[in-house]
Amino acid sequence: GQQLNQSPQSMFIQEGEDVSMNCTSSSIFNTWLWYKQDPGEGPVLLIALYKAGELTSNGRLTAQFGITRKDSFLNISASIPSDVGIYFCAGQSYNNNDMRFGAGTRLTVKP
Amino acid sequence: DTEVTQTPKHLVMGMTNKKSLKCEQHMGHRAMYWYKQKAKKPPELMFVYSYEKLSINESVPSRFSPECPNSSLLNLHLHALQPEDSALYLCASSQEWGYRGKGYTFGSGTRLTVV
Repeated sequence: GQQLNQSPQSMFIQEGEDVSMNCTSSSIFNTWLWYKQDPGEGPVLLIALYKAGELTSNGRLTAQFGITRKDSFLNISASIPSDVGIYFCAGQSYNNNDMRFGAGTRLTVKP
Repeated sequence: DTEVTQTPKHLVMGMTNKKSLKCEQHMGHRAMYWYKQKAKKPPELMFVYSYEKLSINESVPSRFSPECPNSSLLNLHLHALQPEDSALYLCASSQEWGYRGKGYTFGSGTRLTVV
């Protein structure tokens, strides 16, 4: 099946720092999505990307759909304590309707 | 209404019990999903319902039995579970299965503990 490799696995940063995480795949995706999950809750969609090269922002979050359609990154600028959580990338292709998740990046923000 | 509602939030059951998890959405979505999530792992797809028909069963053991009574409701019936089935069970919905829309909307999950 399609494998998503997400890195880093975890990050410990100081409040105010910028954060970057990425996902790569061995095969092409038509849609890349980034979710955040807080403890005891379901994942919440942050950003959806539909076109190769697309760069989309949502407040302090910016994500890009890689030109090769096999990768995506998420940047968080000026992190704050409420950014703490697990960030998942997810990919979806037209050949396989399912949405598959990366392993997640656990973010800790120190005040 | 832009939510997926799951009940109960927590469930403890014995290995001989029968219980059901419920999921409801009123967004007019025609695809609904069950995911299982173990601690520190990503959600894993279990079942996909599209237009109230089971479209995907990811080789899930028969002790998990899904049901979609109508387009707004999704149930997961549990019977003779094992302790290793303890996990967070997430329900999600989307406009259509595979639709290039706004991704999936997830519920808050049911935290299941099998004793």
